[in-house]
Formats: sequence, C-alpha cells, structure tokens
Amino acid sequence: TQLLEQSPQFLSIQEGENLTVYCNSSSVFSSLQWYRQEPGEGPVLLVTVVTGGEVKKLKRLTFQFGDARKDSSLHITAAQPGDTGLYLCAGEIDSWGKLQFGAGTQVVVTP
Amino acid sequence: EAQVTQNPRYLITVTGKKLTVTCSQNMNHEYMSWYRQDPGLGLRQIYYSMNVEVTDKGDVPEGYKVSRKEKRNFPLILESPSPNQTSLYFCASSSVFAYEQYFGPGTRLTVT
Repeated sequence: TQLLEQSPQFLSIQEGENLTVYCNSSSVFSSLQWYRQEPGEGPVLLVTVVTGGEVKKLKRLTFQFGDARKDSSLHITAAQPGDTGLYLCAGEIDSWGKLQFGAGTQVVVTP
Repeated sequence: EAQVTQNPRYLITVTGKKLTVTCSQNMNHEYMSWYRQDPGLGLRQIYYSMNVEVTDKGDVPEGYKVSRKEKRNFPLILESPSPNQTSLYFCASSSVFAYEQYFGPGTRLTVT
C-alpha cells in the first residue's frame, strides 16, 4: 500500500505549458521532499518543505506544503524539455529516519 | 567532489548465491539508507542507519542485512538472493536523519 499517492502518474506536455503534480496522504509528515530522477541516475533533491502552508520557489518550480502537512504540490511554469524526468515526493513521518516515497510522476516536455 | 558511490553498478547472479553491494559516502554524513525501486511502486526503504553501529528496518527489510561499522560505509548484504529481489537499488546519505538525502547512482540487480 502506497502511503503517498502521486497524481498524475504520467504527464506529457508541450514546451511553454504549465503543469502541476500532486502528492497526497492521510498521514501527517514532519517534512516533505521533492526529488527529480533522470534515467540511469539516482534521485536528486529539489526542495524540502517543513512548515504547513509553506511555499518555496526554485526558478520556474513552485512547491507548496498543505496546511495540515498531509499533501504537497509541485507547479512548473513554462515547462522546458530540461524539466523532463520522474518527479518523486517523499515524506518523513517521525523525524527518526523513515522516509516514504510516492510512486512518482513521469513528466515529458516536448519541444 | 561530494558523492555517494555504489558497487557494482550492474550484477546478474543466481538464486541463493550470497552477494554484497557496497555503498560509500565522502560527506561525513551520519545518516545512510538503502532503497529498492520497482516499476509502479516507487522507492521503498529497506534499512537505514542513524550512525555507526545503529541500524533499523525500513518498510521492506526481509531478505536483506546491513552493517555500519564505519561512518562512510553501509553495505547491503543478500545472504540468499531470490528472483523477487531483482530490482534497482539505491544507497543514500544525509547529515540529519532522512532530511535532504544524496543518492548514489544505483545498482541494477538481476537474480535468476
């Protein structure tokens, strides 16, 4: 059973369009992280959110942590082909080392 | 260069033949962890270690062992591999608990 549900599973868009990826759970997380993974490589951390309602921006990427710390979203503005990858959210439940990952959202941005 | 290294990167073995996948980090991180990645299931945590000689089970520890005798190394041991352990394995480390992890390049294991 996946503790963290990501949606959609797959997203294909044209360059310049916007997209949003969602990460939802019934559990409360002490922190939530977003990673991007490219084929043949390990995930690379994009951002960590800790406070309920927190919004962080990383260039064209905007991350939001839900007020109740149970969900998060990743919004990409004016997507570029370099944004193509598998986006993973990961929640830290008890701050003692256990991390739960979602199954990921595969994003494909075509020129 | 700060990095997490894993060896081997690819391994094909047979059922029951003991194997070890090594993981090493050069960032003096206290926390290290092993994950397996399977299609549609994302990454699942196998074991993690908060510090030397301190290890604990993740969500899917059955069939695996780990040890943490030195801060930089965290090997994953499969005493008697089975085909259901065919997967892509990642080692990760961080300075504080599971916060902001650095991942290795992965080890693709096939058990026939």
